[in-house]
Amino acid sequence: GNSVTQMEGPVTLSEEAFLTINCTYTATGYPSLFWYVQYPGEGLQLLLKATKADDKGSNKGFEATYRKETTSFHLEKGSVQVSDSAVYFCALSDTGNQFYFGTGTSLTVIP
Amino acid sequence: NAGVTQTPKFRVLKTGQSMTLLCAQDMNHEYMYWYRQDPGMGLRLIHYSVGEGTTAKGEVPDGYNVSRLKKQNFLLGLESAAPSQTSVYFCASSYSRGYSNQPQHFGDGTRLSIL
Repeated sequence: GNSVTQMEGPVTLSEEAFLTINCTYTATGYPSLFWYVQYPGEGLQLLLKATKADDKGSNKGFEATYRKETTSFHLEKGSVQVSDSAVYFCALSDTGNQFYFGTGTSLTVIP
Repeated sequence: NAGVTQTPKFRVLKTGQSMTLLCAQDMNHEYMYWYRQDPGMGLRLIHYSVGEGTTAKGEVPDGYNVSRLKKQNFLLGLESAAPSQTSVYFCASSYSRGYSNQPQHFGDGTRLSIL
């Protein structure tokens, strides 16, 4: 079956540090991959997506590349800010439009 | 741009009471979903709907019922609330079947406590 595994948190970084949050997936067929972000007290917001192998999704300085050979979709940002503190969810969608979410990774950025 | 709207935002119930959570979307989406979010467990799908008049069970459906009488609304009901149902509930919607590249759009959540 389909599933998503993402690195456990919490992650604490200093401002301007490099961020990587690992995400791997198991899926049949050709899923689409997503990263969502959840700020305190809010719902999940789409951060970026990639719909086929080797696609790179990017938004607000965050990037993730759909790697079919390693079944991965790691989230990266070159220089994090305090405002990036949030919980990040990796997710996949199959052709039936069912979504499978990871358990979330909490990020805290300290000044 | 309202998107997905959930009401109420907060609620405290006593064990055994019933209530209905309302989700409304204005994006003409076919699919709608109810999730619960608990610490350390991510999002778990309760029920979902692939169109007006249809509903289906998700991963954790026990103790909940749903209805989709209108395309824009998806109701989640708790007939007899239990403390184990204390959680944050999220509604989401997405475009129609076969378009796996379409994201889900989420509401801001309903924080429910059962005493």
